[in-house]
Amino acid sequence: DSGVTQTPKHLITATGQRVTLRCSPRSGDLSVYWYQQSLDQGLQFLIHYYNGEERAKGNILERFSAQQFPDLHSELNLSSLELGDSALYFCASSAPSGRLNEQFFGPGTRLTVL
Amino acid sequence: AQSVTQPDIHITVSEGASLELRCNYSYGATPYLFWYVQSPGQGLQLLLKYFSGDTLVQGIKGFEAEFKRSQSSFNLRKPSVHWSDAAEYFCAVDGAYSGAGSYQLTFGKGTKLSVIP
Repeated sequence: DSGVTQTPKHLITATGQRVTLRCSPRSGDLSVYWYQQSLDQGLQFLIHYYNGEERAKGNILERFSAQQFPDLHSELNLSSLELGDSALYFCASSAPSGRLNEQFFGPGTRLTVL
Repeated sequence: AQSVTQPDIHITVSEGASLELRCNYSYGATPYLFWYVQSPGQGLQLLLKYFSGDTLVQGIKGFEAEFKRSQSSFNLRKPSVHWSDAAEYFCAVDGAYSGAGSYQLTFGKGTKLSVIP
C-alpha cells in the first residue's frame, strides 16, 4: 500500500460525458502527478500540481483539467469523453518537489468510455 | 526530449532461472533512472532507482540494476525468478524539468514477464 488513494476504482460512462477522478496523496506530500496508461500510448504524464499550484503540463488534452485543493487532494476532470479516453489513470504523490523525491503511485482508476 | 526504450515486450522465464530486462534511455544530461513493477490490477511500485554513485543499484525483492552510461542502458536483473515476479516492468527516466520544480517521469512501454513453474 503506497498510501495514495484513488476513487473510484472503476468508471464506466458514455461518449460525450464528463467524469471526475479523485486522488488523495500520502500524508505530508505536496506534489500530485497525474498519468494516463493506455494500450497504444503507454504511460504518459498529464499534469503536476504542487501545493495547489499547477507546475507542469504534459500530454494533457484541452478537454481535461485538474486542480489541487487546500487539503492537497486532487481531482482530474475529463469532459466530452471519447472512446480513446478509455485508459487507466494514475496519480502519484511525492514530498517537496525535486528530483530526489520518489513518486508513490495510487492503484489507479480504470475509465471505460462506451 | 528524453525517451526510454524497452526492447522486449514480453519475456517468459522458468522459475529459478535468471532474468535480465533491458532498458535504454535517451537523455541529454545525467539521468535519474527508475524501475517500477505493476502487478495485475495494481499501481506501480518502485523497485529501485539510480541517482548517482555506484552504478550497480540494489532494490527490493532481490532485484538489481546496472547503469552503463556508455551504452545508455539501465538493465534490471534478478538471479533467480520466483513465480510471484510475474508482472509488468517499467523503466523510467526523470528529467523533464519544466523550470518550476517539476520532474515528471517518462516511461518505457513496459516488459511483461511471465514465469513458468
